[in-house]
Amino acid sequence: EPEVTQTPSHQVTQMGQEVILRCVPISNHLYFYWYRQILGQKVEFLVSFYNNEISEKSEIFDDQFSVERPDGSNFTLKIRSTKLEDSAMYFCATPMEVSKLRIYEQYFGPGTRLTVT
Amino acid sequence: DAKTTQPPSMDCAEGRAANLPCNHSTISGNEYVYWYRQIHSQGPQYIIHGLKNNETNEMASLIITEDRKSSTLILPHATLRDTAVYYCIVTTDSWGKLQFGAGTQVVVTP
Repeated sequence: EPEVTQTPSHQVTQMGQEVILRCVPISNHLYFYWYRQILGQKVEFLVSFYNNEISEKSEIFDDQFSVERPDGSNFTLKIRSTKLEDSAMYFCATPMEVSKLRIYEQYFGPGTRLTVT
Repeated sequence: DAKTTQPPSMDCAEGRAANLPCNHSTISGNEYVYWYRQIHSQGPQYIIHGLKNNETNEMASLIITEDRKSSTLILPHATLRDTAVYYCIVTTDSWGKLQFGAGTQVVVTP
């Protein structure tokens, strides 16, 4: 069973502080995604990252957000100056092949709950 | 990517089949139908996907109408652990972003 891990599981921070959320995707994957889910709302795409570059980003992913691959095994999502409305679950995901026709699922991590006070 | 329409909620008795409908009337010829589910704030979980043929795996079956404008996810013997929000997503690009809607909240009752 493949595994995507995310740390921390829960982060509480004060408004204006920087936070870094970490994800260890399925091993050796160059492609990953970040999504968020505000409590009671739908899952929203933030950004996709391939081979050390942003592949696509949503309107939500503004200048306060950044993604990095600081080493070969993990990815980070940084929020420079958190706002109350950044409180949400943040999920990372990596593609995993489900078909010999090169069709992929997105395999999600358990998420990080970010609470901004 | 085409939009999808799903009922907001449905109940199902444990042990019975759960049939979850999804309308995607604007689907184009190269778009796949994907189903994911999310159990209480966990990360979404892939269930199944299809293009035009019916598909079955260990989790569920997917029935796609001949005109591909709608589909049904079938959980053959629902268990309490199947209580979740189920999302129907249509996309051309299995590598690309997933556009989640509100999904269908399925509650399996004893």
